[in-house]
Amino acid sequence: EPEVTQTPSHQVTQMGQEVILRCVPISNHLYFYWYRQILGQKVEFLVSFYNNEISEKSEIFDDQFSVERPDGSNFTLKIRSTKLEDSAMYFCASRGTGGVTEAFFGQGTRLTVV
Amino acid sequence: DQQVKQNSPSLSVQEGRISILNCDYTNSMFDYFLWYKKYPAEGPTFLISISSIKDKNEDGRFTVFLNKSAKHLSLHIVPSQPGDSAVYFCAATSWSGGSNYKLTFGKGTLLTVNP
Repeated sequence: EPEVTQTPSHQVTQMGQEVILRCVPISNHLYFYWYRQILGQKVEFLVSFYNNEISEKSEIFDDQFSVERPDGSNFTLKIRSTKLEDSAMYFCASRGTGGVTEAFFGQGTRLTVV
Repeated sequence: DQQVKQNSPSLSVQEGRISILNCDYTNSMFDYFLWYKKYPAEGPTFLISISSIKDKNEDGRFTVFLNKSAKHLSLHIVPSQPGDSAVYFCAATSWSGGSNYKLTFGKGTLLTVNP
């Protein structure tokens, strides 16, 4: 069964460093998303991406965050200068076309900022 | 701003019995609702969904009921199995027919099915 794949599974970084989280969405999907879940809290929407541009972003997704689909298969989330409060589980998701459909999630990347 | 609420943080049921997980929402613009299951160290896995034009959707052991007037939905699992033990998230979106599909999640309910 097709699945969304995320790498790495766990990333530890120093505060102020840049991190790139990678995702390979399901191959025929056209809509891509990043969500995050801080420990003990809800899964929160960060950004949606379609046709090589951001469709919608949340208040969390400030200038420190960016997304890119560099090669037609990968979908990346970059955090330029990480803060302690960026520590969370980051989930990539993708969705197909043809009407309203469910989003499929990857297994997540646990980001720990120290 | 809790637009999607799952008021029961946990639920424990016996194997073979019915599990009922509840979800309330406040945003009248939501028109598509989903349930996801999540095991530790994994991403959310889609279970079942329902559009606001329906009041029930069934898939095997899983049935979702939607009461629009009460802004309430529930997930029924019959019969419950130990492998169903996981955190269940209710999610909702206002689907505008295109790329805007922002899921708003509840906090989740931890279901434990005891053998």
